[in-house]
Amino acid sequence: DAKTTQPPSMDCAEGRAANLPCNHSTISGNEYVYWYRQIHSQGPQYIIHGLKNNETNEMASLIITEDRKSSTLILPHATLRDTAVYYCIVSRGSQGNLIFGKGTKLSVKP
Amino acid sequence: EPEVTQTPSHQVTQMGQEVILRCVPISNHLYFYWYRQILGQKVEFLVSFYNNEISEKSEIFDDQFSVERPDGSNFTLKIRSTKLEDSAMYFCASRDPGVSEQYFGPGTRLTVT
Repeated sequence: DAKTTQPPSMDCAEGRAANLPCNHSTISGNEYVYWYRQIHSQGPQYIIHGLKNNETNEMASLIITEDRKSSTLILPHATLRDTAVYYCIVSRGSQGNLIFGKGTKLSVKP
Repeated sequence: EPEVTQTPSHQVTQMGQEVILRCVPISNHLYFYWYRQILGQKVEFLVSFYNNEISEKSEIFDDQFSVERPDGSNFTLKIRSTKLEDSAMYFCASRDPGVSEQYFGPGTRLTVT
């Protein structure tokens, strides 16, 4: 089973920041937090990952709490094309296997 | 930008038939994966493959499934005798040994009738 908890759905206005929360209270010290998204029935798309420090790339920012029990994915200026299911996944990184939960269905509205 | 490709995009087969789903991972990647997603359900891990052998497999990956890297570019998933419940999207993914993120292909929709 997935080791994360996410809200099933969220709405966001186009152009605003989308903040997607994730709880992972049982995360181990050697586990990373990964975020992927799936648009319609396409293959999951990697967004970002982190261990304990906040991370930012061209797609998003990842904020991990100091105790590492929760994190937030931030899409700074959501567009309609960001409408997707977003998955927060805890994994040991090099071991690779991703255990997907149900994710958060983000709807970006005009 | 390099990407994972999968063929065919849609495969229809009759129950009991064998199918082979094909994937071309990103060229310098050495770790390969298969996942599946039954319509309306979660993405499920099937198997991981490295150095010409299976690294890990899930309970779903039973004796009717097999994987192979027949040459330097292809990675295949074979289902020996398909069942109705094998109908799903099958995603291939690959990973560079220097990083931990996986890159997924567009999937093959398998329909078993």
